[in-house]
Amino acid sequence: GAGVSQTPSNKVTEKGKYVELRCDPISGHTALYWYRQSLGQGPEFLIYFQGTGAADDSGLPNDRFFAVRPEGSVSTLKIQRTERGDSAVYLCASSLAVSSSEQFFGPGTRLTVL
Amino acid sequence: QQQVKQSPQSLIVQKGGISIINCAYENTAFDYFPWYQQFPGKGPALLIAIRPDVSEKKEGRFTISFNKSAKQFSLHIMDSQPGDSATYFCAASSEYQAGTALIFGKGTTLSVSS
Repeated sequence: GAGVSQTPSNKVTEKGKYVELRCDPISGHTALYWYRQSLGQGPEFLIYFQGTGAADDSGLPNDRFFAVRPEGSVSTLKIQRTERGDSAVYLCASSLAVSSSEQFFGPGTRLTVL
Repeated sequence: QQQVKQSPQSLIVQKGGISIINCAYENTAFDYFPWYQQFPGKGPALLIAIRPDVSEKKEGRFTISFNKSAKQFSLHIMDSQPGDSATYFCAASSEYQAGTALIFGKGTTLSVSS
């Protein structure tokens, strides 16, 4: 079956603008994670969902970042008033359940804030 | 405070040689230790993983060695091939704590010369 998909693959925006990044997890996976990967670094956890609810959002850097998963499948990461420091690759991963350790990653969205 | 420390930062190995990447962790609650492989422009892909009830796990040319008392684990790539050239990340998580988010090392860039 299809893996995790993310759109867009690249997003260039201007400082202060609003952006939305979309993640479509593997069908049937109930757990969904967002990570952020800066150049030369490992992915850093942002938020995870079990079903529709955000079970842990402790990794979100500030209140400009928000994510939703209204129907328990597709998730959208929203960033308000973007800053140059938000430039990174945003990765989405899904797993069969929160109790399942195996996380499958999408290709990421490369966000560039000018 | 970096919870997972990975070394070396970069590694050059000749074709057919053994590549060894090391990781150390601090949180004794971690009980799942995966290795991910990432090619440029792609998301991380799960390579192999281990739990602390075993000291070694082998899958093809890839072996994880785990030392619980030292809180260290390593990835060995036997008969390294040019196609193995990628960035490798170790990670750790706790299945029994809220939010099984993976904590990643900073990565090792492996180059296998032909």
